[in-house]
Amino acid sequence: GDSVTQMEGPVTLSEEAFLTINCTYTATGYPSLFWYVQYPGEGLQLLLKATKADDKGSNKGFEATYRKETTSFHLEKGSVQVSDSAVYFCALSDRDNAGKSTFGDGTTLTVKP
Amino acid sequence: DGGITQSPKYLFRKEGQNVTLSCEQNLNHDAMYWYRQDPGQGLRLIYYSQIVNDFQKGDIAEGYSVSREKKESFPLTVTSAQKNPTAFYLCASSRGQVNTEAFFGQGTRLTVV
Repeated sequence: GDSVTQMEGPVTLSEEAFLTINCTYTATGYPSLFWYVQYPGEGLQLLLKATKADDKGSNKGFEATYRKETTSFHLEKGSVQVSDSAVYFCALSDRDNAGKSTFGDGTTLTVKP
Repeated sequence: DGGITQSPKYLFRKEGQNVTLSCEQNLNHDAMYWYRQDPGQGLRLIYYSQIVNDFQKGDIAEGYSVSREKKESFPLTVTSAQKNPTAFYLCASSRGQVNTEAFFGQGTRLTVV
């Protein structure tokens, strides 16, 4: 079945540091890939997505590239801010799984001033 | 504004009681989902529905029940058979297609007292 594996947290960075959160996936079909962000006590919000190989999703300074050859979708940001502190989830949606989303376990990011 | 609304935000339940969590969406989405999130963990799928009057069990359906009588509404009942119901419950909806993202509500935190 489908699965998503994320880099374990928590991750703690200083403001303006470079961020990478690793995500790899296993899927039987040709999935779409997503990053969601969850702030404390709230639901998840879509951060970015990519629907086919070599697509790059980007939003609010975050980027991720769909790498079919390595089955990866790593999240990056060049300079993090305190306001980026949140839990980040990698997810996939697969046609062979009726479009349902499969989520990773989440990575908690804390950015210190 | 279009969106997905969960109520209540906080819910307390005595042992042995059934409780129902509300989820309403005005996004005209066909698919709706219920997830459970435990502290420091990812999302686990409880039930999902891809069309009115039809729903399927997810990975942890035991002790829960749902209905989908209207497109806009997908209430979740946590029954007394659920042995460890204290958790954060998230409702989501999507167009049900593989390349579309899920939209989440703000969540309901259920505590057994």
